[in-house]
Amino acid sequence: AQSVTQLDSQVPVFEEAPVELRCNYSSSVSVYLFWYVQYPNQGLQLLLKYLSGSTLVKSINGFEAEFNKSQTSFHLRKPSVHISDTAEYFCAVKAGRRALTFGSGTRLQVQP
Amino acid sequence: DSGVTQTPKHLITATGQRVTLRCSPRSGDLSVYWYQQSLDQGLQFLIHYYNGEERAKGNILERFSAQQFPDLHSELNLSSLELGDSALYFCASSAILNRGTGELFFGEGSRLTVL
Repeated sequence: AQSVTQLDSQVPVFEEAPVELRCNYSSSVSVYLFWYVQYPNQGLQLLLKYLSGSTLVKSINGFEAEFNKSQTSFHLRKPSVHISDTAEYFCAVKAGRRALTFGSGTRLQVQP
Repeated sequence: DSGVTQTPKHLITATGQRVTLRCSPRSGDLSVYWYQQSLDQGLQFLIHYYNGEERAKGNILERFSAQQFPDLHSELNLSSLELGDSALYFCASSAILNRGTGELFFGEGSRLTVL
């Protein structure tokens, strides 16, 4: 079975400060890892993904995540957040033929 | 715009009733997934259809059922509704069944309120 743990349900941060949203996963087979973002009253949108190769993956809007196999983690980071980054962020894992399994989500609240 | 269309966007109904949620996947996508998002359960996988056939079941109640039609749109039927069924129901689609990345494209969801 596969599972995803997002330890932080909410992360308040000031604008232009760095942020890290934590994600740990569990799986007995190799995985693909994803971060999705959900803005208010919208569906989930893919932010970035790790499939293979370089363990550091980046999005077009400045987020990055690093796959750490030994720690089974895929933490999301941004060096300087904007008000517009306020949203809920979901980490997800896909193992084998199973459907994506999502974490419980982390609400990022960027304050001016 | 993900290309996935869900209707209705909002639905209010009473306990014991039955509703149908509809999803049109992205053009060309053969896979449709249904997820339920609630405050206490988070985002839960319900069921997966591929090209008209059921491929996987998650935490779907027996009161719920789904199907995918020849034109690839899908419907999620919820019956004998209870207060706890109030949630946001998402449909997502993807192109390739077992190969590929597994990336899903989500609709905007159908918000169901059971009174």
